[in-house]
Amino acid sequence: QVQLVQSGAEVERPGASVKVSCKASGYNFNDYAMHWVRQAPGQRLEWMGWINADNGRTEFSQKFQGRVTITRDTSASTAYMELTSLRSEDTAIYYCARGTCRGCYLIDYWGQGTLVTVSS
Amino acid sequence: DIVMTQSPDSLAVSLGERATINCKSSQSLLSSANNENYLAWYQHKPGQPPKLLISWASTRESGVPDRFSGSGSGADFTLTISSLQAEDVAVYHCQQYYSRPITFGQGTRLEIK
Repeated sequence: QVQLVQSGAEVERPGASVKVSCKASGYNFNDYAMHWVRQAPGQRLEWMGWINADNGRTEFSQKFQGRVTITRDTSASTAYMELTSLRSEDTAIYYCARGTCRGCYLIDYWGQGTLVTVSS
Repeated sequence: DIVMTQSPDSLAVSLGERATINCKSSQSLLSSANNENYLAWYQHKPGQPPKLLISWASTRESGVPDRFSGSGSGADFTLTISSLQAEDVAVYHCQQYYSRPITFGQGTRLEIK
């Protein structure tokens, strides 16, 4: 069965960076897109960007352009999301989520979420 | 960006009764190329990741009980739970995947009356 297992909770200082990992299993990693979505307290789900796991092409929401990097290691079936210049408003649960094909924006499976807390 | 607006924000329904959640998009999600609506519904329980219930506005995912149904076209959509069960307590999100950036509704919290 499809599983996306994310790295554990992080606490970071303002201005720091955080890198969250997402290990996939139960399917051919290269055949699907991987999206990153976050949810801040009391806010709606917010799409950050995605990576084509096959060719590594990425696309980001304008809101996060320049601050977010999404990469993947196909040999480890793992995707990564790094967010830099953290501020308190970045405190949120971060999810990786599989697209239904290499270039698909419909999401079918989600990781369990990683809580990132930004606090001085 | 396409803005997704759900109504109501919260809803309390008695067990066995019908629950209806609406989702309106700021522009049409209907593709003229394939006549499909690029609208999904997710169920989100506390401490769990969201679960895909409905895609293409009305296609129920495998394993989703048939009491869940999606309807609508263009810019107006509805998720209906025909007979509410205790395990349906959750927040429900609609999402458009018609254009980037992908956007979500604000969520509707469904509770038992």
